[in-house]
Amino acid sequence: EAGVAQSPRYKIIEKRQSVAFWCNPISGHATLYWYQQILGQGPKLLIQFQNNGVVDDSQLPKDRFSAERLKGVDSTLKIQPAKLEDSAVYLCASSLTSGSPQQYFGPGTRLTVT
Amino acid sequence: AQTVTQSQPEMSVQEAETVTLSCTYDTSESDYYLFWYKQPPSRQMILVIRQEAYKQQNATENRFSVNFQKAAKSFSLKISDSQLGDAAMYFCASNTGNQFYFGTGTSLTVIP
Repeated sequence: EAGVAQSPRYKIIEKRQSVAFWCNPISGHATLYWYQQILGQGPKLLIQFQNNGVVDDSQLPKDRFSAERLKGVDSTLKIQPAKLEDSAVYLCASSLTSGSPQQYFGPGTRLTVT
Repeated sequence: AQTVTQSQPEMSVQEAETVTLSCTYDTSESDYYLFWYKQPPSRQMILVIRQEAYKQQNATENRFSVNFQKAAKSFSLKISDSQLGDAAMYFCASNTGNQFYFGTGTSLTVIP
Protein backbone atom coordinates (compact mmCIF):
# COMPACT_ATOMS: atom_id res chain seq x y z
CA GLU A 1 0.00 0.00 0.00
CA ALA A 2 1.47 3.34 -1.06
CA GLY A 3 1.85 5.88 1.71
CA VAL A 4 1.11 9.59 1.80
CA ALA A 5 3.11 11.38 -0.86
CA GLN A 6 4.30 14.97 -0.60
CA SER A 7 6.30 17.23 -2.86
CA PRO A 8 8.60 18.98 -2.92
CA ARG A 9 10.69 17.65 -0.03
CA TYR A 10 12.59 20.91 0.34
CA LYS A 11 11.91 24.48 -0.71
CA ILE A 12 13.84 27.69 -0.16
CA ILE A 13 12.19 31.00 -1.00
CA GLU A 14 12.62 34.64 -0.15
CA LYS A 15 10.13 36.46 2.02
CA ARG A 16 7.14 37.86 0.17
CA GLN A 17 7.38 35.13 -2.46
CA SER A 18 4.70 32.51 -2.89
CA VAL A 19 5.01 28.73 -2.57
CA ALA A 20 2.78 25.70 -3.00
CA PHE A 21 2.96 22.23 -1.53
CA TRP A 22 1.27 19.12 -2.85
CA CYS A 23 -0.07 16.08 -1.03
CA ASN A 24 -1.53 12.82 -2.27
CA PRO A 25 -3.13 10.82 0.55
CA ILE A 26 -3.42 7.07 0.85
CA SER A 27 -5.94 5.73 -1.63
CA GLY A 28 -9.42 5.61 -0.16
CA HIS A 29 -8.67 7.95 2.73
CA ALA A 30 -11.42 10.53 2.98
CA THR A 31 -9.77 12.79 5.54
CA LEU A 32 -6.69 14.87 4.84
CA TYR A 33 -4.76 17.05 7.27
CA TRP A 34 -2.13 19.74 6.82
CA TYR A 35 0.13 20.43 9.79
CA GLN A 36 2.82 23.01 10.39
CA GLN A 37 5.76 21.82 12.48
CA ILE A 38 8.15 24.53 13.59
CA LEU A 39 11.57 23.32 14.68
CA GLY A 40 11.46 22.01 18.23
CA GLN A 41 7.68 21.89 18.41
CA GLY A 42 4.95 19.38 17.80
CA PRO A 43 2.77 19.50 14.70
CA LYS A 44 0.05 22.12 14.68
CA LEU A 45 -3.06 21.48 12.63
CA LEU A 46 -3.62 24.05 9.90
CA ILE A 47 -6.57 22.58 8.06
CA GLN A 48 -8.55 19.37 7.86
CA PHE A 49 -10.58 18.16 4.88
CA GLN A 50 -13.27 15.52 4.75
CA ASN A 51 -13.44 14.61 1.07
CA ASN A 52 -13.44 18.03 -0.61
CA GLY A 53 -15.01 19.92 2.28
CA VAL A 54 -13.23 21.79 5.07
CA VAL A 55 -13.82 20.36 8.56
CA ASP A 56 -11.52 22.65 10.54
CA ASP A 57 -9.40 25.59 9.42
CA SER A 58 -9.49 27.55 12.65
CA GLN A 59 -5.69 27.76 12.90
CA LEU A 60 -5.02 28.55 9.26
CA PRO A 61 -3.70 32.12 8.77
CA LYS A 62 -6.19 32.88 6.06
CA ASP A 63 -4.64 36.18 5.08
CA ARG A 64 -1.70 34.32 3.57
CA PHE A 65 -2.42 30.60 3.62
CA SER A 66 -4.91 28.77 1.43
CA ALA A 67 -5.60 25.12 0.77
CA GLU A 68 -7.82 23.17 -1.54
CA ARG A 69 -8.83 19.60 -2.22
CA LEU A 70 -11.00 20.05 -5.25
CA LYS A 71 -11.66 16.43 -6.22
CA GLY A 72 -11.48 15.02 -2.73
CA VAL A 73 -8.18 13.28 -3.38
CA ASP A 74 -4.94 15.25 -3.56
CA SER A 75 -4.50 18.64 -1.99
CA THR A 76 -2.40 21.77 -2.31
CA LEU A 77 -1.38 24.20 0.40
CA LYS A 78 -0.28 27.66 -0.68
CA ILE A 79 1.45 30.49 1.12
CA GLN A 80 1.33 33.95 -0.40
CA PRO A 81 3.23 36.04 0.58
CA ALA A 82 5.62 34.07 2.75
CA LYS A 83 7.08 35.45 5.96
CA LEU A 84 10.23 34.44 7.80
CA GLU A 85 8.14 32.81 10.54
CA ASP A 86 6.62 30.43 8.00
CA SER A 87 9.88 28.48 7.96
CA ALA A 88 8.82 25.03 9.11
CA VAL A 89 8.11 21.51 8.00
CA TYR A 90 4.68 21.12 6.46
CA LEU A 91 3.25 17.68 7.10
CA CYS A 92 0.36 16.10 5.31
CA ALA A 93 -1.54 13.22 6.89
CA SER A 94 -4.58 11.17 5.96
CA SER A 95 -7.05 8.87 7.65
CA LEU A 96 -9.93 6.71 6.48
CA THR A 97 -12.57 9.06 7.87
CA SER A 98 -12.68 12.02 10.20
CA GLY A 99 -13.58 9.73 13.07
CA SER A 100 -10.73 7.31 12.44
CA PRO A 101 -8.40 7.13 15.43
CA GLN A 102 -5.29 6.74 13.31
CA GLN A 103 -3.67 8.98 10.78
CA TYR A 104 -0.77 8.33 8.45
CA PHE A 105 1.85 10.95 7.75
CA GLY A 106 3.80 11.89 4.66
CA PRO A 107 7.52 12.72 4.71
CA GLY A 108 6.89 16.45 4.92
CA THR A 109 8.13 19.49 3.05
CA ARG A 110 10.83 21.57 4.70
CA LEU A 111 10.29 25.25 3.87
CA THR A 112 12.98 27.81 4.50
CA VAL A 113 12.08 31.47 4.06
CA THR A 114 15.06 33.82 3.80
CA ALA B 1 -9.64 21.88 23.61
CA GLN B 2 -7.30 19.17 24.70
CA THR B 3 -3.72 19.78 25.75
CA VAL B 4 -0.86 17.32 25.67
CA THR B 5 2.25 17.94 27.76
CA GLN B 6 5.63 16.30 27.43
CA SER B 7 7.87 17.60 30.20
CA GLN B 8 11.09 15.95 29.02
CA PRO B 9 12.58 17.83 26.04
CA GLU B 10 15.51 15.39 25.92
CA MET B 11 16.22 11.92 27.22
CA SER B 12 19.09 9.50 26.77
CA VAL B 13 19.43 5.78 27.31
CA GLN B 14 22.21 3.22 27.04
CA GLU B 15 21.77 0.68 24.32
CA ALA B 16 19.90 -2.40 25.61
CA GLU B 17 18.56 -0.50 28.62
CA THR B 18 15.01 0.66 29.33
CA VAL B 19 13.74 4.22 29.13
CA THR B 20 10.38 5.79 29.96
CA LEU B 21 9.04 8.89 28.25
CA SER B 22 6.37 10.89 30.08
CA CYS B 23 3.17 12.42 28.79
CA THR B 24 0.18 14.00 30.45
CA TYR B 25 -2.96 15.21 28.81
CA ASP B 26 -6.05 17.13 29.67
CA THR B 27 -9.45 16.37 28.25
CA SER B 28 -13.06 16.56 29.31
CA GLU B 29 -14.04 13.84 26.87
CA SER B 30 -14.74 10.28 27.96
CA ASP B 31 -13.99 8.69 24.61
CA TYR B 32 -10.58 9.34 23.15
CA TYR B 33 -7.41 7.75 21.87
CA LEU B 34 -3.80 8.28 22.83
CA PHE B 35 -0.77 7.75 20.64
CA TRP B 36 2.97 7.76 20.64
CA TYR B 37 4.58 8.74 17.35
CA LYS B 38 8.24 8.45 16.43
CA GLN B 39 9.86 10.97 14.12
CA PRO B 40 13.41 10.05 13.03
CA PRO B 41 15.65 12.70 11.47
CA SER B 42 14.16 11.84 8.06
CA ARG B 43 10.94 13.45 9.41
CA GLN B 44 8.46 10.69 8.52
CA MET B 45 6.12 10.44 11.50
CA ILE B 46 5.50 6.80 12.37
CA LEU B 47 2.91 5.44 14.77
CA VAL B 48 4.57 3.51 17.60
CA ILE B 49 1.63 2.54 19.76
CA ARG B 50 -2.01 3.40 20.32
CA GLN B 51 -4.26 3.19 23.37
CA GLU B 52 -8.04 3.40 23.49
CA ALA B 53 -9.19 5.26 26.57
CA TYR B 54 -11.97 2.75 27.29
CA LYS B 55 -9.48 -0.11 27.56
CA GLN B 56 -7.96 -0.68 30.95
CA GLN B 57 -5.24 -2.97 29.65
CA ASN B 58 -2.05 -1.20 28.68
CA ALA B 59 -1.11 -1.48 25.01
CA THR B 60 2.10 -3.25 24.02
CA GLU B 61 3.92 -3.54 20.73
CA ASN B 62 7.03 -5.69 20.94
CA ARG B 63 9.59 -3.62 22.89
CA PHE B 64 7.20 -0.70 23.33
CA SER B 65 4.58 -0.54 26.05
CA VAL B 66 2.55 2.15 27.72
CA ASN B 67 1.50 2.91 31.26
CA PHE B 68 -1.96 4.43 30.91
CA GLN B 69 -3.27 6.01 34.09
CA LYS B 70 -6.67 7.38 33.13
CA ALA B 71 -7.51 9.04 36.43
CA ALA B 72 -4.16 10.80 36.50
CA LYS B 73 -4.37 11.56 32.75
CA SER B 74 -0.94 10.13 32.28
CA PHE B 75 0.31 8.14 29.31
CA SER B 76 3.97 7.15 29.45
CA LEU B 77 5.93 5.14 26.90
CA LYS B 78 8.39 2.48 27.96
CA ILE B 79 11.03 1.31 25.51
CA SER B 80 12.75 -1.89 26.54
CA ASP B 81 16.05 -3.21 25.20
CA SER B 82 16.73 0.14 23.52
CA GLN B 83 18.33 0.00 20.09
CA LEU B 84 20.28 2.59 18.13
CA GLY B 85 17.39 2.81 15.70
CA ASP B 86 15.12 4.04 18.49
CA ALA B 87 16.89 7.41 18.47
CA ALA B 88 14.31 9.95 17.33
CA MET B 89 11.82 12.56 18.45
CA TYR B 90 8.84 11.01 20.18
CA PHE B 91 5.50 12.79 20.20
CA CYS B 92 2.58 12.01 22.43
CA ALA B 93 -0.79 12.78 20.87
CA SER B 94 -4.46 12.54 21.69
CA ASN B 95 -7.50 12.23 19.48
CA THR B 96 -11.13 12.97 20.17
CA GLY B 97 -13.45 12.63 17.23
CA ASN B 98 -11.67 14.42 14.44
CA GLN B 99 -9.29 16.51 16.55
CA PHE B 100 -5.66 15.55 17.03
CA TYR B 101 -3.43 17.28 19.59
CA PHE B 102 0.33 16.81 19.85
CA GLY B 103 2.84 17.42 22.60
CA THR B 104 6.09 19.27 22.03
CA GLY B 105 8.13 16.09 21.77
CA THR B 106 10.98 14.33 23.55
CA SER B 107 14.29 13.86 21.79
CA LEU B 108 15.66 10.42 22.59
CA THR B 109 19.36 9.68 22.25
CA VAL B 110 20.58 6.09 22.39
CA ILE B 111 24.15 5.74 23.60
CA PRO B 112 26.09 2.80 22.17
